[in-house]
Amino acid sequence: DTAVSQTPKYLVTQMGNDKSIKCEQNLGHDTMYWYKQDSKKFLKIMFSYNNKELIINETVPNRFSPKSPDKAHLNLHINSLELGDSAVYFCASSRPAGELSEQYFGPGTRLTVT
Amino acid sequence: GENVEQHPSTLSVQEGDSAVIKCTYSDSASNYFPWYKQELGKGPQLIIDIRSNVGEKKDQRIAVTLNKTAKHFSLHITETQPEDSAVYFCASGYSSASKIIFGSGTRLSIRP
Repeated sequence: DTAVSQTPKYLVTQMGNDKSIKCEQNLGHDTMYWYKQDSKKFLKIMFSYNNKELIINETVPNRFSPKSPDKAHLNLHINSLELGDSAVYFCASSRPAGELSEQYFGPGTRLTVT
Repeated sequence: GENVEQHPSTLSVQEGDSAVIKCTYSDSASNYFPWYKQELGKGPQLIIDIRSNVGEKKDQRIAVTLNKTAKHFSLHITETQPEDSAVYFCASGYSSASKIIFGSGTRLSIRP
């Protein structure tokens, strides 16, 4: 019954490793997002996809690469992890990007880089 | 680019009292203003939103007001209850930008 799901919920890894976070939504939405929430709770958009097409790419290091195999899935791959990448990453989805509307957030993935 | 300022960063109110959180946005093109509530260990959840063609919207104990001239919008929670304790985020955006920008959040605590 979950609307937006993410895996894993927790991820602990060492600097330099490569890791992926997966997101799936069953709401039939066309638009999906990745957000980063730091330790001070700032919520910053990283990427947005509309119907598998990248439409927003904020100033994110190119170590971060999103991939959308279909409009229900949006994954985030991170290469060469750094200490500063430690944060909670949220996936979200909404109706088509041309009309701003409610975004449905997943439960988050807490990434800890040691 | 768009900037959203949110105040206060923390707010503690007695149960049953009202709470007010204020936000200011910078881009006059913004036409969509949602408010999200984030409980501990969960993702943000929309509680109310307002579009630029209205000045006020109410849903039970929650109301939002928008002053487009001053680029201010506010969240009002009346008759606060313990379950209102959470972090609240304002946001603003406009359709052609295809994104919303979040404020820095307000941690609301309800004292019993």
